[in-house]
Amino acid sequence: GQNIDQPTEMTATEGAIVQINCTYQTSGFNGLFWYQQHAGEAPTFLSYNVLDGLEEKGRFSSFLSRSKGYSYLLLKELQMKDSASYLCAVIDSNYQLIWGAGTKLIIKP
Amino acid sequence: IAGITQAPTSQILAAGRRMTLRCTQDMRHNAMYWYRQDLGLGLRLIHYSNTAGTTGKGEVPDGYSVSRANTDDFPLTLASAVPSQTSVYFCASSDKKTGPNEQFFGPGTRLTVL
Repeated sequence: GQNIDQPTEMTATEGAIVQINCTYQTSGFNGLFWYQQHAGEAPTFLSYNVLDGLEEKGRFSSFLSRSKGYSYLLLKELQMKDSASYLCAVIDSNYQLIWGAGTKLIIKP
Repeated sequence: IAGITQAPTSQILAAGRRMTLRCTQDMRHNAMYWYRQDLGLGLRLIHYSNTAGTTGKGEVPDGYSVSRANTDDFPLTLASAVPSQTSVYFCASSDKKTGPNEQFFGPGTRLTVL
């Protein structure tokens, strides 16, 4: 079966750094997405990785290791508005998106 | 219209009733999707359409049907609603011709079946 694992919930302090991990076991791999979803809202695109390594975009970075089936999303200089759920999704061999359950990130002042 | 719209925003429905959730996009994306999102579970694909005139079944298609008569519209129909279909429903679209197939989401429809 196909499986994507993320921690259910994480807590961090405003101004700090947090790393959200995602491990996957899927039938094939054609890329990995990270989405952000605020409570009651739709998911919005954050990042895309298809090759190994780090992709940096402002305060957010995403890392991929295809050999380990592993990715992480790194959020720096945390702000209260970063309180949201972060969804990891993998494109499988049929080019369908397989979604993790998401990690709820709570930011404390 | 900018992006994807869904209607209604929310709905309370009696079990056994028929319901159509509407989804319209103005980005001329060829692919469209319907997901349901339940607490503690990831987004689960119900049906998808890679191009106008074609549809396919996702992970949880039972009890749902879709049609894709044109590029812009992708309605989802519950023929006879049951309480287990209580969920938040998201429509999404992507341009499969270019890029990594990033999906853009509508604002969602919150459906309660009693």
